[in-house]
Amino acid sequence: GIQVEQSPPDLILQEGANSTLRCNFSDSVNNLQWFHQNPWGQLINLFYIPSGTKQNGRLSATTVATERYSLLYISSSQTTDSGVYFCAARFTGTASKLTFGTGTRLQVTL
Amino acid sequence: GAVVSQHPSRVICKSGTSVKIECRSLDFQATTMFWYRQFPKQSLMLMATSNEGSKATYEQGVEKDKFLINHASLTLSTLTVTSAHPEDSSFYICSAELGTEKQETQYFGPGTRLLVL
Repeated sequence: GIQVEQSPPDLILQEGANSTLRCNFSDSVNNLQWFHQNPWGQLINLFYIPSGTKQNGRLSATTVATERYSLLYISSSQTTDSGVYFCAARFTGTASKLTFGTGTRLQVTL
Repeated sequence: GAVVSQHPSRVICKSGTSVKIECRSLDFQATTMFWYRQFPKQSLMLMATSNEGSKATYEQGVEKDKFLINHASLTLSTLTVTSAHPEDSSFYICSAELGTEKQETQYFGPGTRLLVL
């Protein structure tokens, strides 16, 4: 079946370090979003990126749709970056619904 | 822009009672809203897709008679957990879809933590 898998599942960084989070999806997509879930549970939209590269401050994302993966880059990490990062994909032919990935739990320490 | 609210943020109820959760898009109209459930340290699982003016579409394994969804207007969808049991305790999150010419993006509410005693 359709799947969205993320790696690594857990990541601990020291403040100031850079990291790359990966999202693999099993079929063709027409929507790919990255979210940050903060410790209170709120999902914050980071990127809408079905293909190509986007940057927003210290964050950037790249999706290579033909190879079925997306990457989220976090540079100069801060403690406020802690939380869970999810990618979510809308697979072609599945109407509007998003399938969420397994998530990467990030902890940034001082 | 694209703000979604949920109410209540937290609810504790007795087993057998019903609980209603509201999801509102505050600054845009949403033909389509979605309801998700998230258990601790797990990902979000889609429960149902709510379409304004029509019946909701439920995912496989989700009981439509237990989780009643009403999408009566373009800014409000409600989820009612009927005859709640302890296993229904979870974090329920709604989203609303904002569509433009170039993209369709889901924006999420802050979630509702339900504890059934």
